[in-house]
Order: sequence, then C-alpha cells, then structure tokens
Amino acid sequence: QQQVKQSPQSLIVQKGGISIINCAYENTAFDYFPWYQQFPGKGPALLIAIRPDVSEKKEGRFTISFNKSAKQFSLHIMDSQPGDSATYFCAASTGGTYKYIFGTGTRLKVLA
Amino acid sequence: DGGITQSPKYLFRKEGQNVTLSCEQNLNHDAMYWYRQDPGQGLRLIYYSQIVNDFQKGDIAEGYSVSREKKESFPLTVTSAQKNPTAFYLCASSSRPEATQYFGPGTRLTVL
Repeated sequence: QQQVKQSPQSLIVQKGGISIINCAYENTAFDYFPWYQQFPGKGPALLIAIRPDVSEKKEGRFTISFNKSAKQFSLHIMDSQPGDSATYFCAASTGGTYKYIFGTGTRLKVLA
Repeated sequence: DGGITQSPKYLFRKEGQNVTLSCEQNLNHDAMYWYRQDPGQGLRLIYYSQIVNDFQKGDIAEGYSVSREKKESFPLTVTSAQKNPTAFYLCASSSRPEATQYFGPGTRLTVL
C-alpha cells in the first residue's frame, strides 16, 4: 500500500511531441505529489508538485494532472525538447511525515 | 549561495573497509535524508533525521550508520556489513515535514 507505481519505464518522443508519464498509488493518506527531473550523474531536481485539492497544475510546458478517485497522477511535457531528455520520478508523501515514496523512474529520450 | 553539497563526487573502496560520505546544507533545513539509487530503480530511503541528535532508519538501513551532531551536517557511513554497497548515494533536506525535499549532486561509490 506504500508503493507508487510509475509507467512507462522508458519513453521515446519526437521533438515537439507530448511526453506523458503516469503514476498510481494506493494509500489515500498521501497528500503531496512532486515530480523530479534527474540528468545523468546529477541529483534529482524538483520540477513541479501538486496537492489533491486541485486536479491540474501547469508550469510552463509541464503539467500535472491529478485524478483523486482513480488514485492516479500524471506528468505531461508539452512541446518536448531534446534538453528534456532525462529520468523523471514521481513521488508521494503524507502530511506530517518526512517520508517520500518514489516511483521507479521513467527514462525519457526526445529525438531531435 | 544556498544549497546542498556532497563530497566526494566519486569514491572507491576496497571490500571490508568502512567509508564515510559527507553531506552539508546551508539552507537552515531541519530535516535531512540519505537515499540510495541503483540503475533502473527508484530512490530508496536509508536514514532520515528530523532534528539534531535524532535520526530514524529508513527502508534499507542495514549496513549503514549516520550521525546528526550539527543541523547542517548529516554524514553517512557505509560499513563493511553492507553486502552490496556500489551505488549512487543522494543526500536531501527539507525545511519541515510537508515541504519539498531538495537533493545534493550525489556521490557514486564503487567497491573494488
């Protein structure tokens, strides 16, 4: 019940296309859902995050869609660029705890 | 310039030796964390500390030890009891339980 299931494991998208990464969870106590971007050999960097009181959050080309009833959330990267090629991790946490549960990551490659 | 520093970037160790990884933050964050990352896997929590002189085991604490004598420092020791220590180690910090975790650049440990 503490798992966050992330798919797909890898994704190849043409430049200008839309990249979509999905995550699903079971624990309804989760109330904070961040996405991290990680380049090879670097630490993850926060990309965008959402709380369950909203269904969508947009920052530039990055959008999180949140479906509370389905216990799913997804990252959409619009107009994908080669510079977006990285590994993306979703995560979930419960208010009052410091513990993040991470998905297993999606390796995105955007072809020029 | 605020942030999290980890040193060294690369570390090589012979089997049977203990080794200590450094993590320092100047963000004035209360909480600090250590994660382990293996290829194709998500981040797994080793230890976390919510306050100075206090820390808790994460999901994979066996073979590791930590200390938190200062707010800004959270060193991780990989002991000879850790059966498979070769991995990428990430340190993170956050200001409060529900706040975002920020990651350092990581240390890649290789056991020869």
